[in-house]
Amino acid sequence: GDSVTQMEGPVTLSEEAFLTINCTYTATGYPSLFWYVQYPGEGLQLLLKATKADDKGSNKGFEATYRKETTSFHLEKGSVQVSDSAVYFCALSIYNFNKFYFGSGTKLNVKP
Amino acid sequence: DGGITQSPKYLFRKEGQNVTLSCEQNLNHDAMYWYRQDPGQGLRLIYYSQIVNDFQKGDIAEGYSVSREKKESFPLTVTSAQKNPTAFYLCASSMVWQVSSYEQYFGPGTRLTVT
Repeated sequence: GDSVTQMEGPVTLSEEAFLTINCTYTATGYPSLFWYVQYPGEGLQLLLKATKADDKGSNKGFEATYRKETTSFHLEKGSVQVSDSAVYFCALSIYNFNKFYFGSGTKLNVKP
Repeated sequence: DGGITQSPKYLFRKEGQNVTLSCEQNLNHDAMYWYRQDPGQGLRLIYYSQIVNDFQKGDIAEGYSVSREKKESFPLTVTSAQKNPTAFYLCASSMVWQVSSYEQYFGPGTRLTVT
């Protein structure tokens, strides 16, 4: 079945460190891939997305590239800030199916 | 501003009582969803609806019910049959039948505590 696996957290980094959060997927169809961010006590916000192989989604310094050959969509940021502390969710959807599959979330803590 | 509203933000109920969580969207989206999130965990799909007057069970529908009488509204009722209802509930919506990907937009959530 369709699923998303992301690295377990928490991930603790110092400010200005490089961030990678791994995400791999299994899909029967041809998925679109997403990263969402959730701040404490809030809903999820779309961070970036990619709809086809080799697409790179980017937003607010975060990037992720849709790698079909490795079925991956790893999230990266070159220099994290304290304000990036949140929970990050990787997700996929299959076109025309209207159902999302979310990973379990990775908590990021950034220390000053 | 377009978006999704959920009310109330915090809700307290006694065990054995039914409670209804509100979700309204003004994005003109066809599809709406309800998720449950427990502390430190991911999202689990409760119900979803692709069109007015139609909805489907998600992965954990037992003890919950929904209605979709209007395009913009998708209320969730947590019944007394739900054995562990205390959780954070998230409503989402998305377009349907677009050529490109249709990301889900989320509301701010309702934290339900049942004692």
